[in-house]
Amino acid sequence: GQNIDQPTEMTATEGAIVQINCTYQTSGFNGLFWYQQHAGEAPTFLSYNVLDGLEEKGRFSSFLSRSKGYSYLLLKELQMKDSASYLCAVLDSNYQLIWGAGTKLIIKP
Amino acid sequence: SQTIHQWPATLVQPVGSPLSLECTVEGTSNPNLYWYRQAAGRGLQLLFYSVGIGQISSEVPQNLSASRPQDRQFILSSKKLLLSDSGFYLCAWSVGQVHTGELFFGEGSRLTVL
Repeated sequence: GQNIDQPTEMTATEGAIVQINCTYQTSGFNGLFWYQQHAGEAPTFLSYNVLDGLEEKGRFSSFLSRSKGYSYLLLKELQMKDSASYLCAVLDSNYQLIWGAGTKLIIKP
Repeated sequence: SQTIHQWPATLVQPVGSPLSLECTVEGTSNPNLYWYRQAAGRGLQLLFYSVGIGQISSEVPQNLSASRPQDRQFILSSKKLLLSDSGFYLCAWSVGQVHTGELFFGEGSRLTVL
């Protein structure tokens, strides 16, 4: 079966750095997405990786290793507004998005 | 600019009652449209997607149905709700196929079936 694994919850301190990991086992791979979802709201797109390596976008970076079936989202200079769930999703060989359950990130002052 | 709107935002329905959730997209033509359900602690589950008017693909057999009567309108319905239908329903659109771009989600509709 297809599976996306990410930690259920993480806690970090304002101003610090946090890394949210995602491992996947899917039938084929056509890219990996990260979305941010604040409580009670809809997900919003953060990043897309299809090639190995690091993609940087401001305070957020996303890394992909296709051979390891692994990605991480790195958040720097954490702000209270970064408290949210972070969803990892993989596009499989049929171009269907397979979603992880999300990682709830709690930021403490 | 493109916008997506879905309603109602919240609703509480008794078991066995009907359901209608509506989603409209503005500012784009011929979008791909999607209905997802998000249950607590679980990943987003794709329910239906549509690549054009009247074209609906169902991903999960259940007592829900979808229709696309107009290019930018997508409706999720049920004739008789079950307790297990409770959840957070999200409408989304994409340009072309999802793998060429991102998904844009509506505000979400929280359904509680009692």
